[in-house]
Amino acid sequence: EIVLTQSPATLSLSPGERATLSCRASQSVNSYLAWYQQKPGQAPRLLIYDASNRATGIPARFSGSGSGTDFTLTISSLESEDFAVYYCQQRSNWPTTFGGGTKVEIK
Amino acid sequence: QVQLQESGPGLVKPSQTLSLTCTVSGGSIRSGSYYWSWSRQPAGKGLEWIGRIYTSEDTNYNPSLKSRVTISVDTSKNQFSLKLSSVTAADTAVYYCAGDSVYDSSGVWGQGSLVTVSS
Repeated sequence: EIVLTQSPATLSLSPGERATLSCRASQSVNSYLAWYQQKPGQAPRLLIYDASNRATGIPARFSGSGSGTDFTLTISSLESEDFAVYYCQQRSNWPTTFGGGTKVEIK
Repeated sequence: QVQLQESGPGLVKPSQTLSLTCTVSGGSIRSGSYYWSWSRQPAGKGLEWIGRIYTSEDTNYNPSLKSRVTISVDTSKNQFSLKLSSVTAADTAVYYCAGDSVYDSSGVWGQGSLVTVSS
């Protein structure tokens, strides 16, 4: 099973600041990695797929990069609605696995 | 774009079988464009993948749950289902169904269904 390790666990930032979230895989997932945003009481929302492709309707301030084992989700300038938990997910190998999540909170 | 909606009992007794259904709208479950999957999330915790089905003969399950899980599809109703047997309180969670694209790593998720295991 591929283990996804997300860091940091919590990121405390102010609106307008840049957020950089990391996801590291225990073995290569090529570019078969997605990022999801989850707010309390809501289902995960797809942000990025195939490491760097924004999903439909996702603002340009969200970007993804990386391949192999190291991936980054960047939010260029935090808006109030971006404070949430972010998960990475790999479907390169079964079973599908998720990272433990990074909570982006208001400083 | 397909949409998914979970349905089923919100309360299950310990040792019984949890059963949930996911109804697919906006597309055919037979399109071949999606793997149909289930994941879950205990309150305040992360996401756990349960398993997926592509065709009736093509299923994969999380090894940690494999002995208790069955995922099936009903093409006549455009639905797929989850059965989890011998449940305990540890199975209390929000259960999500999803359509995972076969072409890339994108996915479409349902809203989620809270299932509580309690006597």
